Amino acid sequence: GAVVSQHPSRVICKSGTSVKIECRSLDFQATTMFWYRQFPKKSLMLMATSNEGSKATYEQGVEKDKFLINHASLTLSTLTVTSAHPEDSSFYICSARGTHLTGTGTSILDIQYFGAGTRLSVL
Amino acid sequence: DQQVKQNSPSLSVQEGRISILNCDYTNSMFDYFLWYKKYPAEGPTFLISISSIKDKNEDGRFTVFLNKSAKHLSLHIVPSQPGDSAVYFCAARVYNQGGKLIFGQGTELSVKP
Repeated sequence: GAVVSQHPSRVICKSGTSVKIECRSLDFQATTMFWYRQFPKKSLMLMATSNEGSKATYEQGVEKDKFLINHASLTLSTLTVTSAHPEDSSFYICSARGTHLTGTGTSILDIQYFGAGTRLSVL
Repeated sequence: DQQVKQNSPSLSVQEGRISILNCDYTNSMFDYFLWYKKYPAEGPTFLISISSIKDKNEDGRFTVFLNKSAKHLSLHIVPSQPGDSAVYFCAARVYNQGGKLIFGQGTELSVKP
């Protein structure tokens, strides 16, 4: 259980175009999804928190108009990189907030389940 | 300002021996600490966690230790297996912020046969 699908896995686009990345929770409903960006040899940097039916909450320094997030249903959030430029080239990963039943079977932990990521290359 | 730090970018261990991955943090408002494992071209997968009110949690070959006074946690893998070779991320959950996680930089573990 707790599978998150992210699509596409890789995209190459020309500078100035927009790219949409989808994140789906396949077997559970996720009221909250997160979008991260990872640079080579670096940590996962949280870009924004996406809540179903409301506006996303962006982290400091992340341009809202550049990275449009839509969370229209309990199983789908999308990230659109608008007017992409070479500096936007990166690895983008989404996650969905879900529950994890621990080994004892009695404890439920609120954790994030991750998609496989999208490698964006802007030429 | 890096609130969660993994100071060792890489670690190499012999199969069968213990792997110890370390993580330090600076923020006292973290209520849970989690370890994720990541293979190339895949998203991180949840491995094990520990509440800030505990000092140890064990799950099979994996044990996480938390030293709150030192703001330090570690992941022990014993015995290490070649399939454990991956990048391990330490993450801290921010209290009362909707499940928000702060990640360390990751440590690449290589377990040699």
